[in-house]
Amino acid sequence: GAVVSQHPSWVICKSGTSVKIECRSLDFQATTMFWYRQFPKQSLMLMATSNEGSKATYEQGVEKDKFLINHASLTLSTLTVTSAHPEDSSFYICSARDVLQPQHFGDGTRLSIL
Amino acid sequence: KNEVEQSPQNLTAQEGEFITINCSYSVGISALHWLQQHPGGGIVSLFMLSSGKKKHGRLIATINIQEKHSSLHITASHPRDSAVYICAGMETSGSRLTFGEGTQLTVNP
Repeated sequence: GAVVSQHPSWVICKSGTSVKIECRSLDFQATTMFWYRQFPKQSLMLMATSNEGSKATYEQGVEKDKFLINHASLTLSTLTVTSAHPEDSSFYICSARDVLQPQHFGDGTRLSIL
Repeated sequence: KNEVEQSPQNLTAQEGEFITINCSYSVGISALHWLQQHPGGGIVSLFMLSSGKKKHGRLIATINIQEKHSSLHITASHPRDSAVYICAGMETSGSRLTFGEGTQLTVNP
């Protein structure tokens, strides 16, 4: 079945650094990728939707300059958390789909900012 | 605004029990996903359905379009079924998902 790979699975870094998370569709071409954030004991919150070759559409309240999304190819999207601070610590999950596939989710990235 | 409501929030069962998780959704949602999230965080898509019933192993998902209600059933539950189960509605207008709050299932041996 369709597989989405997310990397890294866990990252710890100092406040002020930037962190890049990759999301790859391994056996299908993902025309659309989604980035979610999840706080403990809460459901997923959509941050942005990205279509290959175009700018991401951000949800209300999500800072586009803070969370940079690039979807340069049909199999790769990246989320960069710029100048990360402790309040950015969270669980980030991507998903990917094409016109034939429902959304398939990555395993998530646990981000801890010290 | 599209809404998805899920119940119960928490569910504890003994191994072997039949389990049902319910999901109600609003107008504007055309299909339902049932997702499973394990303690490590990874999410597995169990079913996507827009009508009728689907079965995979011990898992059964049903949807009633008129009542805007879906259920996930687990037969002969096992401790390895312990996870958070999430229903998510796919918006008619696009591919966005609206998520329920999740059901934390614990199956005790």
